Amino acid sequence: AQSVTQLDSQVPVFEEAPVELRCNYSSSVSVYLFWYVQYPNQGLQLLLKYLSGSTLVESINGFEAEFNKSQTSFHLRKPSVHISDTAEYFCAVSDAGGSSYKLIFGSGTRLLVRP
Amino acid sequence: DAGVIQSPRHEVTEMGQEVTLRCKPISGHDYLFWYRQTMMRGLELLIYFNNNVPIDDSGMPEDRFSAKMPNASFSTLKIQPSEPRDSAVYFCASRDGPDNSPLHFGNGTRLTVT
Repeated sequence: AQSVTQLDSQVPVFEEAPVELRCNYSSSVSVYLFWYVQYPNQGLQLLLKYLSGSTLVESINGFEAEFNKSQTSFHLRKPSVHISDTAEYFCAVSDAGGSSYKLIFGSGTRLLVRP
Repeated sequence: DAGVIQSPRHEVTEMGQEVTLRCKPISGHDYLFWYRQTMMRGLELLIYFNNNVPIDDSGMPEDRFSAKMPNASFSTLKIQPSEPRDSAVYFCASRDGPDNSPLHFGNGTRLTVT
């Protein structure tokens, strides 16, 4: 069975500062990894994903995440955050190439960007 | 593309009443998922369908919960009878094809059972 751990429930940061949201996963098989973002009163939206190939993946709005197999991590980073990045961020994992199509989510990290 | 459409956005009901949540997935998507989100337990997968057939309902908490997908464009999640601990935001999501495709979520139904 797979699981995802997001240790930080909330991360406060000042505007234009860098941020890292941590995600660790547990799985006995190869995985696909995702970051989703949830803005208030909305559903989740895909931010970026790792399927295979380059371990560094990027989103269109400046976020990036790096897959580290040895540390079973997929931390999300941004070098300079904006007020509009305030949202809840969810890391998720699924079984790569298996028969299960479940997407297992972490508990979420609330990013609070202050002016 | 209208996205995944859920109704109602908010539902307030009394304990013991039947509640029906509705979802219209994105046209052409062959997977549909129901999730529940609470502060205590985060996002929990309740059930998912492939081509209108329930594949895994192991996340459905009790027999009070049931879900159907009578056709490719409509699904319901029913709670009967409802209890205060069912209060949560219920999300429907759909996906086109394999597990590396992104999930598209609706805006959710916020259920309050008093």
